[in-house]
Amino acid sequence: GAGVSQSPRYKVAKRGQDVALRCDPISGHVSLFWYQQALGQGPEFLTYFQNEAQLDKSGLPSDRFFAERPEGSVSTLKIQRTQQEDSAVYLCASSRDRLNTEAFFGQGTRLTVV
Amino acid sequence: AQSVTQLGSHVSVSEGALVLLRCNYSSSVPPYLFWYVQYPNQGLQLLLKYTTGATLVKGINGFEAEFKKSETSFHLTKPSAHMSDAAEYFCAVSALSNTGGFKTIFGAGTRLFVKA
Repeated sequence: GAGVSQSPRYKVAKRGQDVALRCDPISGHVSLFWYQQALGQGPEFLTYFQNEAQLDKSGLPSDRFFAERPEGSVSTLKIQRTQQEDSAVYLCASSRDRLNTEAFFGQGTRLTVV
Repeated sequence: AQSVTQLGSHVSVSEGALVLLRCNYSSSVPPYLFWYVQYPNQGLQLLLKYTTGATLVKGINGFEAEFKKSETSFHLTKPSAHMSDAAEYFCAVSALSNTGGFKTIFGAGTRLFVKA
């Protein structure tokens, strides 16, 4: 595709519900990142894939958060038993190479937990 | 491990005035440095980047930044502010992590206001 696509754009979840957020990176991009951006804050690193390998998941806030990229293209970020503090914009970015000399960002998914 | 500090969460300038947004970083290995801009309800857009070579880098919309290793700084400047420059600006650093990948870390952001 022309850019990084994320879906849904907006998600309202009841506390305790599981959610799945999808990221379609630019075709052929090797690296894929997930970030969490709280209101008025900078993006906080969650996890990073190089192809299908999850090289770094040190930013995932708890074991309720899980990400996968099984075929090295589309990625899904899953949040189990959502809590109010999970409310944020979740940004996905992809980069052509492993050096991440330029990351392209999607528009994000705004998750609101009520 | 790397980190980024942006000095000033809000900066206000008059239209036509110099824009200066400050960024300092720490990295144990040679970093790549970036500035991104974010407009309301939009994703992040790359303004400019430093990887290797010339330390003064020029980006889109008339912005430029200078990598100063001795000061561990990468401040963003624009000679003359335009109303359309009002947005949130993020400095970021990317460096090889101990897991074998290049991890990009962002600062907290600086919101730029431009007064008519």
